[in-house]
Formats: sequence, structure tokens, C-alpha cells
Amino acid sequence: DQQVKQNSPSLSVQEGRISILNCDYTNSMFDYFLWYKKYPAEGPTFLISISSIKDKNEDGRFTVFLNKSAKHLSLHIVPSQPGDSAVYFCAARGSGSARQLTFGSGTQLTVLP
Amino acid sequence: GAGVSQTPSNKVTEKGKYVELRCDPISGHTALYWYRQSLGQGPEFLIYFQGTGAADDSGLPNDRFFAVRPEGSVSTLKIQRTERGDSAVYLCASSRDGNGGYTFGSGTRLTVV
Repeated sequence: DQQVKQNSPSLSVQEGRISILNCDYTNSMFDYFLWYKKYPAEGPTFLISISSIKDKNEDGRFTVFLNKSAKHLSLHIVPSQPGDSAVYFCAARGSGSARQLTFGSGTQLTVLP
Repeated sequence: GAGVSQTPSNKVTEKGKYVELRCDPISGHTALYWYRQSLGQGPEFLIYFQGTGAADDSGLPNDRFFAVRPEGSVSTLKIQRTERGDSAVYLCASSRDGNGGYTFGSGTRLTVV
């Protein structure tokens, strides 16, 4: 039972355009959401997060949107750069004392020069 | 150290053998996590330490898996009687207090032949 789903295993975008990565979740107890970026042979790197009390968080070229009613979040990267090519993981954390993250299966983003 | 260090980076072992994987977290980080990532999947939670104690070990798949953190810093993940299905990348992460995003190491790629 996948509680966090990334339905697109891959995405290709032209340099300079917008990249939109999507994530859906099923557990309404999740209250904190994160995006991680992963290059080959490296561990995931924290990118941006959002609390369930917000619907948008922006950091430079990266913006995360949260739609709680739809249990959906998305990561927008604009403008996309070739160095953004990586696997992007969506993750969610439950409320209370639980600190574990539940990850999606990832989306491979390729930004074409 | 500057980041989370995991050793060895690669480990090949025969089915039935015992292995130990080491994680050296960022200095001062009290929270430490172990995750396992299989090919094409996102990281899956194994165990979480707050200080020396295992605060949540609900992700350990069976009693062949065990982890310790005796002095609240370095942690060792121990796998007994390894099976081919244990082959994966084992990721360690740490955070200052268990909140927010955490920092992952580069992982140990375990291959059981």
C-alpha cells in the first residue's frame, strides 16, 4: 500500500522552461512534506519543504504547492537548468512523535540543453 | 565531520553471511535514521535513534536486522544470515533534533550473491 505516489517515473524538459513534478498521498495524518533531489551514487539532498498549514513555499527557482483537499503536492522548477537533471523524491511525515519519512518512488527529471 | 559518512561504500557478501554497515552522523546531530532503497524505489524507513536509544524500529523487516548506537554518535546496522533480497542501498541520515529535513549519507550498496 503506497501512501506516497509519484506516478511519473520520468520527465524531460527543455532548458529554460518550467519543470512540474507531481506527488499524491493517501494518509491524511501527514502534516509535513519534503522534496529531495538525488544524483547517481549520492544520497538524497533536501531541497524544499512545506507544512500542511501552508499551500505554497518558495525558495529561489523552486516552489512547492500543496493542495490538502486533493492530497496532492507539486514541485515547480523555473527556469529549469541542465544541472537540475536528477531523481526527485517526494516525502511525507506524520504528525505527532513519528519522525520517519515515507517516500515516493521518484521521478527522473532530464533537462535538455 | 562536514557530512554523514557511511562505510563501506560497497559491500559484496555471500548468502548466509553476517554484515555490518557503519554510519558516522554530523557532529551534534542527536537524531539518526537508517533507510533502505531498492532499485526503482524510494527509500524505505528502517529505524530511528534519538540519542542512544532506538525511538522507532518499526521498519526493520525481521529479526535478522539490528542496529545500535551505543554512544549516541556512530551507528552500526547489523544483518545476520544475509539473503539475496537484502541487496539494496542502505542509507543513513541525521538531523539536529528530528525535525525538518535531514542530511543523508551516500549510502552503502550491499550485494548478496
